[in-house]
Amino acid sequence: SQLAEENLWALSVHEGESVTVNCSYKTSITALQWYRQKSGEGPAQLILIRSNEREKRNGRLRATLDTSSQSSSLSITATRCEDTAVYFCATPLTGNYKYVFGAGTRLKVIA
Amino acid sequence: EAAVTQSPRSKVAVTGGKVTLSCHQTNNHDYMYWYRQDTGHGLRLIHYSYVADSTEKGDIPDGYKASRPSQENFSLILELASLSQTAVYFCASSDRNSDYTFGSGTRLLVI
Repeated sequence: SQLAEENLWALSVHEGESVTVNCSYKTSITALQWYRQKSGEGPAQLILIRSNEREKRNGRLRATLDTSSQSSSLSITATRCEDTAVYFCATPLTGNYKYVFGAGTRLKVIA
Repeated sequence: EAAVTQSPRSKVAVTGGKVTLSCHQTNNHDYMYWYRQDTGHGLRLIHYSYVADSTEKGDIPDGYKASRPSQENFSLILELASLSQTAVYFCASSDRNSDYTFGSGTRLLVI
């Protein structure tokens, strides 16, 4: 069951550009998380945004949440080659734990 | 530094054999999870636990058992390994505020 899904399978940008990854979800949620997974590594939590928040930042990362359209976005400014990774959104199946992941958007940052 | 450690990092198993994947966390988190990731796909929840000596089924529990003998340790057991269980397995822990930490994964090849 895909409760949350990223809207693009893959995209590429040139280093220094900004990029936005989008995610849509199917049910009302208490929170949504964004993760980054680099090749050969486990996912790393980037941002947790709760349903009463509209925007949250973490350095060059900015997440938004629109509960009316059941969508979220993750923007990365001034991209670097090391931002190349798969980006996942995840929503909780119940309560505040047991998150379900989308299939991910593969971002490639080109030097 | 708090962490989630998985062992082994990789394993080759014979069809029909028993496989045990181990996970140890030093985060003092209540919740632990086992996810499976197939090439090019997101993570799917196999089993999870919110307290020692108790486990719950996730989205794809068939063919897998889990054991949580202590808060720190969570094992995934494949009693009769099958070809379809070839995948990368990730263990994760989280607290009640959804602060998630993933391990580096175990690559399992069943032949």
